[in-house]
Amino acid sequence: DAGITQSPRHKVTETGTPVTLRCHQTENHRYMYWYRQDPGHGLRLIHYSYGVKDTDKGEVSDGYSVSRSKTEDFLLTLESATSSQTSVYFCAIRGAGPNTEAFFGQGTRLTVV
Amino acid sequence: SQQGEEDPQALSIQEGENATMNCSYKTSINNLQWYRQNSGRGLVHLILIRSNEREKHSGRLRVTLDTSKKSSSLLITASRAADTASYFCAAGGQGAQKLVFGQGTRLTINP
Repeated sequence: DAGITQSPRHKVTETGTPVTLRCHQTENHRYMYWYRQDPGHGLRLIHYSYGVKDTDKGEVSDGYSVSRSKTEDFLLTLESATSSQTSVYFCAIRGAGPNTEAFFGQGTRLTVV
Repeated sequence: SQQGEEDPQALSIQEGENATMNCSYKTSINNLQWYRQNSGRGLVHLILIRSNEREKHSGRLRVTLDTSKKSSSLLITASRAADTASYFCAAGGQGAQKLVFGQGTRLTINP
């Protein structure tokens, strides 16, 4: 398996609290992605990174921020969690080059109550 | 957006039959990728077809790409119960770092 780890794997938090999810890779891949997966919506891109300190928004970025201070770590922060952010969050990594595949983490199940 | 859109959303067939899933996308691409997701797990890469390729095989998988129609298909031959999963396509755009997925096709193989 590709060296990608998400933490925590499960989390329950209260509405209005900040939450940070971590994605850690040992592959030295350039690109890192955060997705959320909800029934009926497939995978939706939240934010992605194309290098240290280089990030960009995806299609559902409102309410989320990211940081990448090191190649190996990509953090996703829910600034003030809402019930609509209850979801399964997946991190993915991909090497440089136009024809490279992505490797996914096992996911983090977040419940906002 | 390079987003892939899969069709059908759900497919149920008998073991041993072939399963075909389709994907459409909107813009120019470098490649089209197919992934599989077992329930509760992350996605796993199956196959990548480049924009200058028309067909690619990998074991029981056959992928075609028609750039003029902006569409791709994934054929799984001689299906097995273990093929039950959701299948997603993702369009890798030209010069773009984004990898955007569709809603997926949920495939059920009945024994």
